[in-house]
Amino acid sequence: EVQLVESGGGLIQPGGSLRLSCAASGFTVSRNYMGWVRQAPGKGLEWVSAIYSGGATYHTDSVRGRFTISRDNLKNTLYLQMNSLRAEDTAVYYCARAPEGATGEFDFWGQGTLVTVSS
Amino acid sequence: SYELTQPVSLSVALGQTARITCGGNNIGNKNVHWYQQKPGQAPLLVIYRNINRPSGIPERFSGSNSENTATLTISRAQVGDEADYYCQVWDSSANWVFGGGTKLTVL
Repeated sequence: EVQLVESGGGLIQPGGSLRLSCAASGFTVSRNYMGWVRQAPGKGLEWVSAIYSGGATYHTDSVRGRFTISRDNLKNTLYLQMNSLRAEDTAVYYCARAPEGATGEFDFWGQGTLVTVSS
Repeated sequence: SYELTQPVSLSVALGQTARITCGGNNIGNKNVHWYQQKPGQAPLLVIYRNINRPSGIPERFSGSNSENTATLTISRAQVGDEADYYCQVWDSSANWVFGGGTKLTVL
């Protein structure tokens, strides 16, 4: 059974850092395209970062240079390192799998982890 | 960058057909995916690659995509279909793009 379990969210002051984790089971993270999608309170879905099976990484413009997506193949876990956090980064962060590649769908999602950036 | 336009809200009578649109420049040339999200829950894939239903999604859900508009159709709408619905594509200029979402109300 495919499962994605996020952790690492919490309350953080502006300018601070957090690392989100997404533990996967039932499939191999490194063989799939994986992404992080966030949802600000009361707002829609926004793609944040992606890592391709080959290792290439991509980030949306608003987080480029501040966020880094990575994976640990031994732990079968996806990460999102978030630095220089801003109030507008406050959101629920979901990890998701895209098994058919970049043009494919996100077929499984985690339950999400809430990040609140506030002083 | 590539943009997807959805109506903010849509109401449908119980048992009738809801059609949720997703507009984008030449979206007919792209793979469009649709997600359902209920309050407090993660998104759930309901249509992938324009017309395909994942296992467990009722046949009442269908999709189409042509020219500048993709459509999610929900036949015989039920109260349990009330949710936010998002379309999504991949674009080389912006990677993964989501529409703004449509709140479906079943009356």
